Amino acid sequence: GAGVSQSPSNKVTEKGKDVELRCDPISGHTALYWYRQSLGQGLEFLIYFQGNSAPDKSGLPSDRFSAERTGGSVSTLTIQRTQQEDSAVYLCASSLQDAWGRGVQPQHFGDGTRLSIL
Amino acid sequence: DAKTTQPPSMDCAEGRAANLPCNHSTISGNEYVYWYRQIHSQGPQYIIHGLKNNETNEMASLIITEDRKSSTLILPHATLRDTAVYYCIVRALEYGNKLVFGAGTILRVKS
Repeated sequence: GAGVSQSPSNKVTEKGKDVELRCDPISGHTALYWYRQSLGQGLEFLIYFQGNSAPDKSGLPSDRFSAERTGGSVSTLTIQRTQQEDSAVYLCASSLQDAWGRGVQPQHFGDGTRLSIL
Repeated sequence: DAKTTQPPSMDCAEGRAANLPCNHSTISGNEYVYWYRQIHSQGPQYIIHGLKNNETNEMASLIITEDRKSSTLILPHATLRDTAVYYCIVRALEYGNKLVFGAGTILRVKS
């Protein structure tokens, strides 16, 4: 079946521009996560959505970063006034929640968007 | 989430079993052990997870010690395509808990 789809796969933009990254989760997955992976660094959690609950934004590095999830499916991650340190691979993951609403089910990742800020 | 310790790298001969260790001595009773791997230029791929019993699926086996302080991921017949970074993660049951990735183990399968 279809996995998590992210677009674009690569994005090059100039410093100071805004960018939008898109994630299509696996159909039926109610939980959606954004992570980023900088060159030579581990994966860093950014934000989490679950159904209609308020998102967990605790990992967003600054107020230039925001994310939305419309209709409980597609999500967009927006970075305003990009800086060179924003260059990274941005990864999206989705998962089911179990019957108790707990995050036990494994997260399934897309292949990411490679963002390069010139 | 409990901290995990993995060797930075391992080599394995093609066709042999790859045994990847992970220490998680501070794991608590409600924390699961998850394994993911990341092949170059791809997103992390879920492999297997478990709480206290050994688990097996089509990709691998997970052996968790009785005291739950360590575990081993076993790839029974490693192939060149199994060359990747393998991450051992412990994760609590709290609703929507994020994954915390460490440095992982670079597994190189050699012919």
